[in-house]
Amino acid sequence: AQTVTQSQPEMSVQEAETVTLSCTYDTSESDYYLFWYKQPPSRQMILVIRQEAYKQQNATENRFSVNFQKAAKSFSLKISDSQLGDAAMYFCAYCYNTDKLIFGTGTRLQVFP
Amino acid sequence: NAGVTQTPKFQVLKTGQSMTLQCAQDMNHNSMYWYRQDPGMGLRLIYYSASEGTTDKGEVPNGYNVSRLNKREFSLRLESAAPSQTSVYFCASGVSPGANVLTFGAGSRLTVL
Repeated sequence: AQTVTQSQPEMSVQEAETVTLSCTYDTSESDYYLFWYKQPPSRQMILVIRQEAYKQQNATENRFSVNFQKAAKSFSLKISDSQLGDAAMYFCAYCYNTDKLIFGTGTRLQVFP
Repeated sequence: NAGVTQTPKFQVLKTGQSMTLQCAQDMNHNSMYWYRQDPGMGLRLIYYSASEGTTDKGEVPNGYNVSRLNKREFSLRLESAAPSQTSVYFCASGVSPGANVLTFGAGSRLTVL
């Protein structure tokens, strides 16, 4: 069965600094999708970034980028120039062949001024 | 605003009571999903509907029923609520299975006493 593991329950970063959130997953598939979702205190789930496993190039969205290591089954999220508005829960998620997302347990990110 | 609308946003029930969570999307999406979010466990899939007229069980379906009323609406029913069903419930929709990008509703917080 596919699983997603986020081993960092909480992380903190100083404003304007860079932070990396870790995610590992387990699958026997070769073609799948990985996601990072942000959940601010409003509870709304917001898609941050999406990676297709068949693409070697790491996805980037403005200050957010990923380090996708397919062989190691690792998918970390790097947030550059952290802002106060980045404070939220971040969830890593996986899906294969459907839209049924499998989520990790989340990492709470605190941003200090 | 286009998106996924869930009602109610908050609900308190007594053990054994029944209720229905409503979800509607106006993006002409084919697939719809119900997730629950519990502290320390991320989001887990309860039921999903790949298209109008079809529904399937997810990871944690026990104690729930669903109805895909039409293309827009996907409801989640608790027939006899239990304290273990205290959670935040999210509805989501996707263009089609395999499109891999979901839009989430704002969540419904349910407390069962």
